[in-house]
Amino acid sequence: AQSVTQPDIHITVSEGASLELRCNYSYGATPYLFWYVQSPGQGLQLLLKYFSGDTLVQGIKGFEAEFKRSQSSFNLRKPSVHWSDAAEYFCAVARNQAGTALIFGKGTTLSVSS
Amino acid sequence: GAGVSQSPSNKVTEKGKDVELRCDPISGHTALYWYRQSLGQGLEFLIYFQGNSAPDKSGLPSDRFSAERTGGSVSTLTIQRTQQEDSAVYLCASGTGGETQYFGPGTRLLVL
Repeated sequence: AQSVTQPDIHITVSEGASLELRCNYSYGATPYLFWYVQSPGQGLQLLLKYFSGDTLVQGIKGFEAEFKRSQSSFNLRKPSVHWSDAAEYFCAVARNQAGTALIFGKGTTLSVSS
Repeated sequence: GAGVSQSPSNKVTEKGKDVELRCDPISGHTALYWYRQSLGQGLEFLIYFQGNSAPDKSGLPSDRFSAERTGGSVSTLTIQRTQQEDSAVYLCASGTGGETQYFGPGTRLLVL
C-alpha cells in the first residue's frame, strides 16, 4: 500500500539559514507527489507538486523539491528561511492517479529562531 | 475568487448526537474530497466525489459516517451517534479532477 514517511516531527532553523524537510514515499508506479503547508488555524496550502518531467520542481514562497526515484524521496528545500515560514509541512502522494485521494505524511513542524 | 468554504468553523456536541458539516467547493470544481485531521492519526482521507460517478467511500472509518453531494456542488458530511474519538478537524477540498486539491479552512469538531 502507498505510504508517506516524514522522519522529522519537529525542526528548528535559524532565520536566514537553509532548510531541508525530508519525505520518503512508498508507491509502485510513478507517483504524484505534493508538499502542503499549514499555518496555525489555517487550511492546507499547496507549495508544489511533481508528477512527471524535470525532477527539480519550483513552488511558491521560494520553496523547491527534488524527486529522487532511486531513494523514493521528495525532499523540500529552501535556501533562506524567513520567520513567516514557521508552520507545519505535509508531504503527500496521490493514492492512485491524479485527482484521487491523497495519502499524507504525519507532518513536520518547522520553528524559526531569530 | 472565492475559495472552498466550510461551516460551521467550530462545533461542540455531546456524545451520541448527530452532526452535519457543510462544504461549499470552488465553483466549477467537479471533484470534492473530505479528510479528517486528528492528533493521533494525522490527515486521513474519508470520501471522494468526482462528477456523477459513485463516490469513493473507502476511507470512511465506520457506518456512522456518510456524505452526500447535492447537485454536484455542496457536500454534507454527517456523523451519527458521535463518539469522543470523532473529535478532529474535518477538511474539505475541491478540484477539477486533476492534480491540485484546494483545501478549505476546516471544521473543528469537539465531542464531549
